[in-house]
Amino acid sequence: QPVLTQPPSASASLGASVTLTCTLSSGYSNYAVDWYQQRPGKGPRFVMRVGAGGIVGSKGDGIPDRFSGLASGLNRYLTIKNIQEEDESDYHCGAEHGSGRNFVLVFGGGTKLTVL
Amino acid sequence: QLQLQESGPGLVKPSETLSLACSVSGGSITSNSYYWGWLRQPPGKGLEWIGSIFDSGSTYYNPSLKSRVTLSVDTSKNQFSLKVTSVTAADTAVYYCARRGINWGCVDDVCYFDSWGQGTLVTVSS
Repeated sequence: QPVLTQPPSASASLGASVTLTCTLSSGYSNYAVDWYQQRPGKGPRFVMRVGAGGIVGSKGDGIPDRFSGLASGLNRYLTIKNIQEEDESDYHCGAEHGSGRNFVLVFGGGTKLTVL
Repeated sequence: QLQLQESGPGLVKPSETLSLACSVSGGSITSNSYYWGWLRQPPGKGLEWIGSIFDSGSTYYNPSLKSRVTLSVDTSKNQFSLKVTSVTAADTAVYYCARRGINWGCVDDVCYFDSWGQGTLVTVSS
């Protein structure tokens, strides 16, 4: 099954842009990842799925146009433009692996985004 | 609007069994379009999927936890439950229950956890 790696922290100034990275382990370059936003004290919220070709399907309910996704090789990116205070959250990436009785979900360690 | 609420003891002794329930309101746990899951987040760490269950009782477990985890569903109470046996300090975490789409419950063929509980902290300590 894939291993997902995320840097533990990131920061950006109000109104700036930031790109968060989720890196798949070798051999899984065709896998998609799901990005979830988790505000302090809340359950996670689906942002979008990013596959090898970019965004897959629609963004989650209420996710602003400022959020976008791209991919390159083993990396899956979540970019936030014109950062707002409410974007300060933990961001998790997760991926599905296998099917049927062998189905598993794996997650990265999460990135804490601080808005300066 | 669908709401999920975790309940159970916040403190469990080492070697004992952790038991949590997730009550679903604003919708039925019986569905062809959704199934249900438990995830956890140890302090300062990322999410970990524990397992998932359908209203039929069919289950999928994280292989790393499978030997200690049991999921069950009670459709009459509109709730599903988690048991983790032989707990250690490594099981200390915020535990979340969540709903995941399948078939018609997916959006543009993307299936994801679309509703989550607030989470409940379970500490394993003597």
